[in-house]
Amino acid sequence: NAGVTQTPKFRILKIGQSMTLQCTQDMNHNYMYWYRQDPGMGLKLIYYSVGAGITDKGEVPNGYNVSRSTTEDFPLRLELAAPSQTSVYFCASSYMDTEAFFGQGTRLTVV
Amino acid sequence: DAKTTQPPSMDCAEGRAANLPCNHSTISGNEYVYWYRQIHSQGPQYIIHGLKNNETNEMASLIITEDRKSSTLILPHATLRDTAVYYCIVRANFGNEKLTFGTGTRLTIIP
Repeated sequence: NAGVTQTPKFRILKIGQSMTLQCTQDMNHNYMYWYRQDPGMGLKLIYYSVGAGITDKGEVPNGYNVSRSTTEDFPLRLELAAPSQTSVYFCASSYMDTEAFFGQGTRLTVV
Repeated sequence: DAKTTQPPSMDCAEGRAANLPCNHSTISGNEYVYWYRQIHSQGPQYIIHGLKNNETNEMASLIITEDRKSSTLILPHATLRDTAVYYCIVRANFGNEKLTFGTGTRLTIIP
């Protein structure tokens, strides 16, 4: 199993551009999560999903959108990128409320 | 989720046992104690979890007090690779979709 795979690993965006961070898992987990982590800070939950077709907001959802059309994939969309969205983004998955598995992150810089 | 309180930082000598405390005085009867760690720049990694009884796996031991209001994660023989931020999380299994992180304890292993 590859686990949780995030692409790209690094990206530089200009202010106002948009992009999609990809996340896929091959463990047939029903729960998936997106977090952001600013330098020196803890993880903040952006969005989560408990199954295909179901998504819900976390602590910091503004400026982001998600979709969950399949069990495997949980893309995170940034519209109109802003410097405040410069961060490291982590995707995770779990079977129900059990232990979560994390991807290696996407480092995003908005200039 | 019940809130947790952890010391912001700790040091431990290499080869000694690292004991990381966590207070969760408002924990509910159906909430588990989970520990994760995040080694610099990587995605968080699950370590161990427990409900009432002490637990041990290949990575660590988890000691939960009888009243369940606090717990201690023990790394029995700390190595330099154990330097990381350690997160204590309380979470009910089944019905608690959100997985949120606090600020954790930054553990530094001293050579």
